Amino acid sequence: RKEVEQDPGPFNVPEGATVAFNCTYSNSASQSFFWYRQDCRKEPKLLMSVYSSGNEDGRFTAQLNRASQYISLLIRDSKLSDSATYLCVVKKGGATNKLIFGTGTLLAVQP
Amino acid sequence: NAGVTQTPKFRVLKTGQSMTLLCAQDMNHEYMYWYRQDPGMGLRLIHYSVGEGTTAKGEVPDGYNVSRLKKQNFLLGLESAAPSQTSVYFCASNDRGGGTEAFFGQGTRLTVV
Repeated sequence: RKEVEQDPGPFNVPEGATVAFNCTYSNSASQSFFWYRQDCRKEPKLLMSVYSSGNEDGRFTAQLNRASQYISLLIRDSKLSDSATYLCVVKKGGATNKLIFGTGTLLAVQP
Repeated sequence: NAGVTQTPKFRVLKTGQSMTLLCAQDMNHEYMYWYRQDPGMGLRLIHYSVGEGTTAKGEVPDGYNVSRLKKQNFLLGLESAAPSQTSVYFCASNDRGGGTEAFFGQGTRLTVV
């Protein structure tokens, strides 16, 4: 079983739609959680960190459920420019500081 | 700001050849990582380093070696390239602390024929 699992998609949605991605992680000792965005043939870039209390950044809302070990990302009012792959990332605690990536979920926003 | 710089950006190797990928960061980060990205597999950790002079194996270390002689540089070596090492390689770095952002280089597209 992969340490971080995501639905690969693709999610094809019309402009203006609301779309939600989920991610599960297996290591209960994981300490930090993130969503990264990766455009085609580009490097991943941080979209937002995920906090225990949930957090929002404009049209994006991230939530963490430690008991069930899952993370979610909600995108409201989808734009064409939101089309990308969204990567769920979990950081292990301790000295290793390793970042473990999910395989990513592809979002295609249609006009 | 340069951030994380990878060289080269593209390379074609013949089976059995060797090469070194260079990653340089100018943010004084302690941690550096090498990942490979393949279709359907996501980013997989090859090797990582928690500080100058230290390296450790990640998820898929076989066929690769690394060195971190200087804090700002993290080298990934392929001693004898194989077609299975055809991939996109990303270097990343971040600093100490639980919630710190990782910054990535632009990637190296390697093809082994």
